[in-house]
Amino acid sequence: GQQVMQIPQYQHVQEGEDFTTYCNSSTTLSNIQWYKQRPGGHPVFLIQLVKSGEVKKQKRLTFQFGEAKKNSSLHITATQTTDVGTYFCAGRGSSNTGKLIFGQGTTLQVKP
Amino acid sequence: NAGVMQNPRHLVRRRGQEARLRCSPMKGHSHVYWYRQLPEEGLKFMVYLQKENIIDESGMPKERFSAEFPKEGPSILRIQQVVRGDSAAYFCASSAAAGALVSGQFFGPGTRLTVL
Repeated sequence: GQQVMQIPQYQHVQEGEDFTTYCNSSTTLSNIQWYKQRPGGHPVFLIQLVKSGEVKKQKRLTFQFGEAKKNSSLHITATQTTDVGTYFCAGRGSSNTGKLIFGQGTTLQVKP
Repeated sequence: NAGVMQNPRHLVRRRGQEARLRCSPMKGHSHVYWYRQLPEEGLKFMVYLQKENIIDESGMPKERFSAEFPKEGPSILRIQQVVRGDSAAYFCASSAAAGALVSGQFFGPGTRLTVL
């Protein structure tokens, strides 16, 4: 079945450093979504990418969707302590049934 | 404009008992999804429902688990004869019929199930 892999599992950075998490799917995706989950909280939708090669920015966050629509990345510039949490990518297959397959997530710790 | 509501927030059951988890989607949303999350792990898709219909239950264990989304009232995830391995956080998410393609899924606060 469809699998979505995400690396790294954990990342510790000093405040002000950059951070990147990578997401790879075993199959071509119709779109990919990114979510953030704070410790003890619930996932919160960040963004959706649909087009091949698409790049979207939200302030210090940059999201990319690969040309083959099988991989994606989230890059945070100059991390802040408020960026702490687990970032998940979630892929939707071409059947577009609404079902999302989540990656394992990357947990970001930021040292002040 | 209330978000996705889930109750109870915490549920403790002894082995063999039944657990019922409730989810009220956001107003105007007709699509409901249930996910399970074990500590320090990702979200595992369980089931996708629309009103009175199960669209995709490929992530649901074949035994003891069932889900429904009746015409009136919340969606229910039911776990019969719970075992310790069922202990997890169960999240419900909802999306609008057309919005699923553009707006993502909106998650509830989750139900933390502990089986003693």
